Amino acid sequence: AQTVTQSQPEMSVQEAETVTLSCTYDTSESDYYLFWYKQPPSRQMILVIRQEAYKQQNATENRFSVNFQKAAKSFSLKISDSQLGDAAMYFCAYRSYVFTGANSKLTFGKGITLSVRP
Amino acid sequence: DARVTQTPRHKVTEMGQEVTMRCQPILGHNTVFWYRQTMMQGLELLAYFRNRAPLDDSGMPKDRFSAEMPDATLATLKIQPSEPRDSAVYFCASGLEGQVNNEAFFGQGTRLTVV
Repeated sequence: AQTVTQSQPEMSVQEAETVTLSCTYDTSESDYYLFWYKQPPSRQMILVIRQEAYKQQNATENRFSVNFQKAAKSFSLKISDSQLGDAAMYFCAYRSYVFTGANSKLTFGKGITLSVRP
Repeated sequence: DARVTQTPRHKVTEMGQEVTMRCQPILGHNTVFWYRQTMMQGLELLAYFRNRAPLDDSGMPKDRFSAEMPDATLATLKIQPSEPRDSAVYFCASGLEGQVNNEAFFGQGTRLTVV
């Protein structure tokens, strides 16, 4: 079974600065997806970024980028130029490569609460 | 605007009452998931369906929880009788199985409070 660990329950960042959220995972699979989801106070789960394990290049979406270290099973999220709207809970998640059957479920970490100081 | 719709958004009920949560998946999606979010356990998978058939409901307490898909546009999660420990946010998500690049789309959740 796969596990996802987010060991930091809370982090804080100054507006306009950069913050990195950590995540580690464990799996015996060679192909899979990793995700970061954002959950603002509205509760909506918003997909921030996705990384395919077979791709060596780290995914980037505007101010969000990841540092994917497959051998170390590490998947951190970097938020650059932090904005007040980035304040939310962030979840790291794992999914098997093919979206079918038992492999289609997401396994989540416990989440980290990010606050942004003005 | 394709999205997963969950009703109700909030529900407060007394212990022992039946609770029904509803989910309308995105049209055309054939996989539906129910997740529960609590402070202690985080997000846990309760059940999921493919083409309306339950594939796995091992995450659900069988004695009081039941999940069904009466048709392709409606998924329900029932708790009977409800208990205070069931207080949580319940999320429904839907996806299209079989495509590598596909992902699950989440509804806004139902916040359940059992008093």
